[in-house]
Amino acid sequence: AQKVTQAQTEISVVEKEDVTLDCVYETRDTTYYLFWYKQPPSGELVFLIRRNSFDEQNEISGRYSWNFQKSTSSFNFTITASQVVDSAVYFCALSGLGPARQLTFGSGTQLTVLP
Amino acid sequence: GAGVSQSPRYKVAKRGQDVALRCDPISGHVSLFWYQQALGQGPEFLTYFQNEAQLDKSGLPSDRFFAERPEGSVSTLKIQRTQQEDSAVYLCASSLGTGTYEQYFGPGTRLTVT
Repeated sequence: AQKVTQAQTEISVVEKEDVTLDCVYETRDTTYYLFWYKQPPSGELVFLIRRNSFDEQNEISGRYSWNFQKSTSSFNFTITASQVVDSAVYFCALSGLGPARQLTFGSGTQLTVLP
Repeated sequence: GAGVSQSPRYKVAKRGQDVALRCDPISGHVSLFWYQQALGQGPEFLTYFQNEAQLDKSGLPSDRFFAERPEGSVSTLKIQRTQQEDSAVYLCASSLGTGTYEQYFGPGTRLTVT
């Protein structure tokens, strides 16, 4: 069975601070994909990134960066110089190779960026 | 291009009523997923379509839940004899192919059963 754990339920930071959202996953698959989604107050899940299990290279996209460590089964997400617009719930998700390739989501981290 | 759309956005049903939730995926997307999101939780998988074929319905919580995608585009999730525990946001997502592509989500339908 697959499982994604986001231990941080809520995080509050002041604008311009850096913040890291943790994600730990469990899977028996040797090949899998990891995702991060953002859910703003409007409710629509917004895709941020997809990584496959063979690619442990860290990735940076603007103020966003992701640290994938297979040895610790973690896929952490860092926002640099946070902004008020970053306030949202962030979900980490895992997809295996079953026929549906459905996503298994963590319970999410509510990020609040204060002005 | 248009994203995934869902209707209605909000639905209030009395316990025991049947409801139908509609999803319009992104044009050309082969895969379509339904998820259920309870308050304060992450989405949970309900069912998956590849074109018109329902290949996985392992996440449907009971036989009161039924989904279809008869022409391989629009999908409908039907819940019969709604119960209070069915109250949740129902999310539809579509993806381009049959591999592990990113899924694009609609805004969801918030169902409240009174």
